[in-house]
Amino acid sequence: KAGVTQTPRYLIKTRGQQVTLSCSPISGHRSVSWYQQTPGQGLQFLFEYFSETQRNKGNFPGRFSGRQFSNSRSEMNVSTLELGDSALYLCASSSGGTANTEAFFGQGTRLTVV
Amino acid sequence: AQKITQTQPGMFVQEKEAVTLDCTYDTSDPSYGLFWYKQPSSGEMIFLIYQGSYDQQNATEGRYSLNFQKARKSANLVISASQLGDSAMYFCAMRDFQGGKLIFGQGTELSVKP
Repeated sequence: KAGVTQTPRYLIKTRGQQVTLSCSPISGHRSVSWYQQTPGQGLQFLFEYFSETQRNKGNFPGRFSGRQFSNSRSEMNVSTLELGDSALYLCASSSGGTANTEAFFGQGTRLTVV
Repeated sequence: AQKITQTQPGMFVQEKEAVTLDCTYDTSDPSYGLFWYKQPSSGEMIFLIYQGSYDQQNATEGRYSLNFQKARKSANLVISASQLGDSAMYFCAMRDFQGGKLIFGQGTELSVKP
């Protein structure tokens, strides 16, 4: 079966713009979580959605937001982009999102803010 | 607070030899899951192996095994018969009983020498 699909793979944006990233989870999976990866901060949790509801949220400013649709596909949006938002954004798909369920990642979206 | 510690920023191993990547964790939750991921230079996060806090036996997946010592709060990854394609970043992660959020260590960069 198909894996986790993230689009686009690469993105270049200008400071002040906004961006929307998409994640299609594995079929049947209801949990989607998002992570930001930078060389300095490592992998940091952004938020998690389960059945269209945000269940967990990391310590990121309100410029970072997300949503999940009824088909479990998720989008994250970053408004008023800053240079520091340049990062690899990864989404993970899980069937239930509990401690004992595996999480599978997409290939990531590499965002560069200039 | 939950925390994952990987104390080896980089490691070298000879091809065909075994290597152990260290991971210690800290949590007060009785139910949690431990994961190992491989991240090649392409950026994709590849799931390797999972261990649940209540699992009695150490997890094994092909050449990967997890040396789980609950009392010591350690979950070391053992890769047997290393291959050149194993060269990558390796991340240890933990998910608590509430699910959703994965907490990652800083990673270990493994280099396999021919």
